[in-house]
Amino acid sequence: EAEVAQSPRYKITEKSQAVAFWCDPISGHATLYWYRQILGQGPELLVQFQDESVVDDSQLPKDRFSAERLKGVDSTLKIQPAELGDSAMYLCASSSFGLAGGTGRETQYFGPGTRLLVL
Amino acid sequence: LAKTTQPISMDSYEGQEVNITCSHNNIATNDYITWYQQFPSQGPRFIIQGYKTKVTNEVASLFIPADRKSSTLSLPRVSLSDTAVYYCLVVSGAGSYQLTFGKGTKLSVIP
Repeated sequence: EAEVAQSPRYKITEKSQAVAFWCDPISGHATLYWYRQILGQGPELLVQFQDESVVDDSQLPKDRFSAERLKGVDSTLKIQPAELGDSAMYLCASSSFGLAGGTGRETQYFGPGTRLLVL
Repeated sequence: LAKTTQPISMDSYEGQEVNITCSHNNIATNDYITWYQQFPSQGPRFIIQGYKTKVTNEVASLFIPADRKSSTLSLPRVSLSDTAVYYCLVVSGAGSYQLTFGKGTKLSVIP
């Protein structure tokens, strides 16, 4: 069964350093999402891509976070500089949903996540 | 988007049927009810989705009354491996299909 790949699985960094996370969605999935999950909470959407375009980044702290999906396939989420409060699980998900079609019922498939610890 | 309310936690013994109820009073006509499961240190996994009445798959059943203001996820004969957090979400059938997660229900299965 096809899966969403993420790397690294774990990352420890010091505050003020830069970190980057990578996601490879399921082949053919046009929509890609990045979520942040703080311990004990549900995932929170950071950014949504449709192919290479950002559909929604309203919850992305743009002063320090950036995301790109240059060729509409894999994606990178970057934090620079990292702060203590950024410690969390960062999840990537993909879906076959497309704004030009689909029923809206398409499942989102999540990767295993990257657990970030900022010291 | 309709807000959901579900119990914070539940305990069950192995072999029992577990029912987790979620309320979503402001659900809209185009909205679907979706449940995800999340094990520790893993991403959420889709379990089941429905619009009304009853939906059943190999993992669970989903019961939705006619007014659609609540739904019940039913897990038959749970095992220790069903210990996880279960999220109830209301998903719009139009627009950008975003998922808004609450805190979910932490189910603990006891031997």
